[in-house]
Amino acid sequence: KAGVTQTPRYLIKTRGQQVTLSCSPISGHRSVSWYQQTPGQGLQFLFEYFSETQRNKGNFPGRFSGRQFSNSRSEMNVSTLELGDSALYLCASSPGQGVITRGYTFGSGTRLTVV
Amino acid sequence: KQEVTQIPAALSVPEGENLVLNCSFTDSAIYNLQWFRQDPGKGLTSLLLIQSSQREQTSGRLNASLDKSSGRSTLYIAASQPGDSATYLCAAYKAAGNKLTFGGGTRVLVKP
Repeated sequence: KAGVTQTPRYLIKTRGQQVTLSCSPISGHRSVSWYQQTPGQGLQFLFEYFSETQRNKGNFPGRFSGRQFSNSRSEMNVSTLELGDSALYLCASSPGQGVITRGYTFGSGTRLTVV
Repeated sequence: KQEVTQIPAALSVPEGENLVLNCSFTDSAIYNLQWFRQDPGKGLTSLLLIQSSQREQTSGRLNASLDKSSGRSTLYIAASQPGDSATYLCAAYKAAGNKLTFGGGTRVLVKP
């Protein structure tokens, strides 16, 4: 059973540009969550999608957005990049229906560096 | 608002010693608590998941306990090995919000 796939693994972007990250969840999982990890703030929740609908959103500016497709794959977009957006972005997959009883499975992450 | 704390932030032990990692949370109305391991620059690997109705979970050399009333979870790693060197994170899940709240992690170094 394939795990959670995140692409690309590494990205270097310039301030002001925009970036799109992709996440393919475990087959059959319908929920995808995104987290940002930085040395200063640790792991912070960005948003969660289930069946193409955003169910929850963390405390991030509107420059951070996402979407989910009918095959459950998800993308997150960051516009007008700032130096502080440099982070490891992690995607988590779960079945999504009802309360999460079997935990989350994370991908390997996308390392974004903004210069 | 849920807050999760892990103390200490870093720990160094000689090989063979047992590891005890602590996690505390402020809101006891959690549904479950999950322990993860993270190697440098990598994603999170799930180690153990404890449901709120459980007191502990075991997998090999790993044992995790949960005490909701005191807002604490402990991860025990028996007979540590250099390969156990990593950062260990705990995360509390509450149904409302469908998200995990993470602690800051404990960075572990097991010296040969």
